[in-house]
Amino acid sequence: GAGVSQSPSNKVTEKGKDVELRCDPISGHTALYWYRQSLGQGLEFLIYFQGNSAPDKSGLPSDRFSAERTGGSVSTLTIQRTQQEDSAVYLCASSWSSYNEQFFGPGTRLTVL
Amino acid sequence: QKEVEQNSGPLSVPEGAIASLNCTYSDRGSQSFFWYRQYSGKSPELIMFIYSNGDKEDGRFTAQLNKASQYVSLLIRDSQPSDSATYLCAVKIEYGNKLVFGAGTILRVKS
Repeated sequence: GAGVSQSPSNKVTEKGKDVELRCDPISGHTALYWYRQSLGQGLEFLIYFQGNSAPDKSGLPSDRFSAERTGGSVSTLTIQRTQQEDSAVYLCASSWSSYNEQFFGPGTRLTVL
Repeated sequence: QKEVEQNSGPLSVPEGAIASLNCTYSDRGSQSFFWYRQYSGKSPELIMFIYSNGDKEDGRFTAQLNKASQYVSLLIRDSQPSDSATYLCAVKIEYGNKLVFGAGTILRVKS
């Protein structure tokens, strides 16, 4: 079937604006992750969803970041009042469970001017 | 000490040679280990995963795990220029839901 999809592929916004990034996981995958990768940096974990359990938000860098997963499928990452340091590639991944390999989407490149 | 450490490279090998990529981790209770390949401007792509001590082979790739020494490695045989990429080591820590990634090793295969 189809892999993980993300939209938009690129987003340019002005400092202070809110942005929403979308992730559509592989069908049947119950686990969904958001990561952030800044230029030349490794992957930084942001948040994890597993089925109907409470999400693991331990990686969210500030309260400007939030995410939800509706119906156990599509997820939206929202960044409020964007700052220039939020500029990065935001990657979504899904897996059968937290013990299985994760498959990544193509990412959303966010640029905050 | 970082949770997952990799030599940043670049590691340069001639075409046809064996490339050896290494990774060490700090969480002794970790059980699952993954290697991802990331081309410039692209998202990570799963190459191998390994759960048990020893070797696991898949085509030109072999993953090696030594839990006692807390290291995992990836061997690429008959390296090709198309193997040139950043290789990310990822570890599922014992307590927690996330994968912890190393910073990656840049591999360059010269023809």
